[in-house]
Amino acid sequence: DAKTTQPPSMDCAEGRAANLPCNHSTISGNEYVYWYRQIHSQGPQYIIHGLKNNETNEMASLIITEDRKSSTLILPHATLRDTAVYYCIVRALESQGNLIFGKGTKLSVKP
Amino acid sequence: KAGVTQTPRYLIKTRGQQVTLSCSPISGHRSVSWYQQTPGQGLQFLFEYFSETQRNKGNFPGRFSGRQFSNSRSEMNVSTLELGDSALYLCASSLRGARETQYFGPGTRLLVL
Repeated sequence: DAKTTQPPSMDCAEGRAANLPCNHSTISGNEYVYWYRQIHSQGPQYIIHGLKNNETNEMASLIITEDRKSSTLILPHATLRDTAVYYCIVRALESQGNLIFGKGTKLSVKP
Repeated sequence: KAGVTQTPRYLIKTRGQQVTLSCSPISGHRSVSWYQQTPGQGLQFLFEYFSETQRNKGNFPGRFSGRQFSNSRSEMNVSTLELGDSALYLCASSLRGARETQYFGPGTRLLVL
């Protein structure tokens, strides 16, 4: 599975959009981009995933560049409860299946 | 639909003891994966079970073992506990296999004294 690079930390004002970048320049054509987040000491929470097209659900939007070498997770109206570590994971469906977590981005939403 | 549940949520053991953790997957999910999270190593994969068979295993010593029952519930066991086994143990379930989206439980916090 391809490696990802994320900034270690980011701040966002409450009510504003949080844009979390992820670089995955070695991604292969059959690899999906997954996003999870982990609020302190809880289990990781699945947010969204995508292959090529932009995706949106009730939690967030995922924007994948045309060359697929990077992506951005957008939380449209961040709240204090969105403070968490956000993990970007690239994974092929043909892989063994286990998720490989990096260090993620610590997002702090401030009032 | 209820999420993944893990019991117990907190556990304190002493070195040399053994421990068994339990995980109940989301109803209908047949795959259960286990992960260990420590401040130093982050989240690391332990093993995956599907239809009562271990399908994949991470790089952990044989003291770490698991099993899955016919109702897809899973247990993991750690024998001869070491101080370094103190961690948050997470279980994740997926519908037909770990290659699909995995949904995590709240974890079991194990402290080894």
